[in-house]
Amino acid sequence: DTEVTQTPKHLVMGMTNKKSLKCEQHMGHRAMYWYKQKAKKPPELMFVYSYEKLSINESVPSRFSPECPNSSLLNLHLHALQPEDSALYLCASSQYGDMNTEAFFGQGTRLTVV
Amino acid sequence: KNQVEQSPQSLIILEGKNCTLQCNYTVSPFSNLRWYKQDTGRGPVSLTIMTFSENTKSNGRYTATLDADTKQSSLHITASQLSDSASYICVVSARLTDKLIFGTGTRLQVFP
Repeated sequence: DTEVTQTPKHLVMGMTNKKSLKCEQHMGHRAMYWYKQKAKKPPELMFVYSYEKLSINESVPSRFSPECPNSSLLNLHLHALQPEDSALYLCASSQYGDMNTEAFFGQGTRLTVV
Repeated sequence: KNQVEQSPQSLIILEGKNCTLQCNYTVSPFSNLRWYKQDTGRGPVSLTIMTFSENTKSNGRYTATLDADTKQSSLHITASQLSDSASYICVVSARLTDKLIFGTGTRLQVFP
């Protein structure tokens, strides 16, 4: 199983809503990542979890709150988002966090903030 | 500054033809270089990953080359198919970091 599963595939939320994006992998990977991708742009790193601890936060606004409940799961909690936060949110995982190993991406969650 | 540049920005070819995409990078210290294929609105899918000591790596009709001296890589697609239409992203990682440096991609369209 080399899959990274993201749910939901699509999400529309209002600026006052609270929602969560979920990511799951069963490859035994110890590093998991959240990326944000705008149309026709490369993915931008948001957060890195290594061994279930937050190791990188790329100065992401506090309205995005990551959580790693266990080594297989990664959540991204969303609150009071802005329309400019609309994007494709990608989760990825790799065996270790040093980027010497293959990174597998999920299919993404298409988020629209209205 | 660590950067990855790709060319061309977009490319249109006819089905069955070959094509080559280019990637130049200034990432240091270099760890590895990857090529990903990304369909619109979907997550990137890995095609190849190459370390410093590897010059070429193939994955079916995809062949990647790496020249670590000139800091250049290419992705050659043989006998293109309609399903090859996608963005191809060159990604480089630096040693001792948790970060991937993404190129802006080449948008490939294959027409019948």
